[in-house]
Amino acid sequence: EAGVAQSPRYKIIEKRQSVAFWCNPISGHATLYWYQQILGQGPKLLIQFQNNGVVDDSQLPKDRFSAERLKGVDSTLKIQPAKLEDSAVYLCASSLEAEYEQYFGPGTRLTVT
Amino acid sequence: AQSVTQPDIHITVSEGASLELRCNYSYGATPYLFWYVQSPGQGLQLLLKYFSGDTLVQGIKGFEAEFKRSQSSFNLRKPSVHWSDAAEYFCAVGSPYSGAGSYQLTFGKGTKLSVIP
Repeated sequence: EAGVAQSPRYKIIEKRQSVAFWCNPISGHATLYWYQQILGQGPKLLIQFQNNGVVDDSQLPKDRFSAERLKGVDSTLKIQPAKLEDSAVYLCASSLEAEYEQYFGPGTRLTVT
Repeated sequence: AQSVTQPDIHITVSEGASLELRCNYSYGATPYLFWYVQSPGQGLQLLLKYFSGDTLVQGIKGFEAEFKRSQSSFNLRKPSVHWSDAAEYFCAVGSPYSGAGSYQLTFGKGTKLSVIP
């Protein structure tokens, strides 16, 4: 069974530029999560989708971050414009509906200069 | 709101020695508790989880954890550490979303484990 796929793995941009990350969850997983992991911290949930609907985006900085999950499968997370403090690893995870184990992708390491 | 504290930022142990990583949580109801491991450049892998029942939980790679409600703790243990266990370990508490069939994870800041050959 293929795991959660993410791309790109690394990205370097200048502040005020925009960037997008892509996530392909495990086939059949209805729930998809985006986390931000700043160096030295644990992952923090940004947004959670159930199929293509948003369950929780309370910690998503909506003035610059946006996310979508079209057709309830793949998802993209966008930052526009980026700030220095957005430098982090962005992790995508997925789980079966009504199941509790989340499977994580390898993450995208973003550096904002 | 729930929170997780991992008091030890960095622990170094010798290969073959025993290991205990500490985790304390704050949550109003019965917690769902998890331990994840993250190797450099990798995503998180679930080691074990506690939902209810037996307070001693067995996981993968020879790890176990004990839930102690009176101490609000969920410490991770391994009797004999291998060099390949060097990684970062995260404790997390899960709170379910009502009616959504899923839950929100709140992570601690992690404990980095180094293993001396």
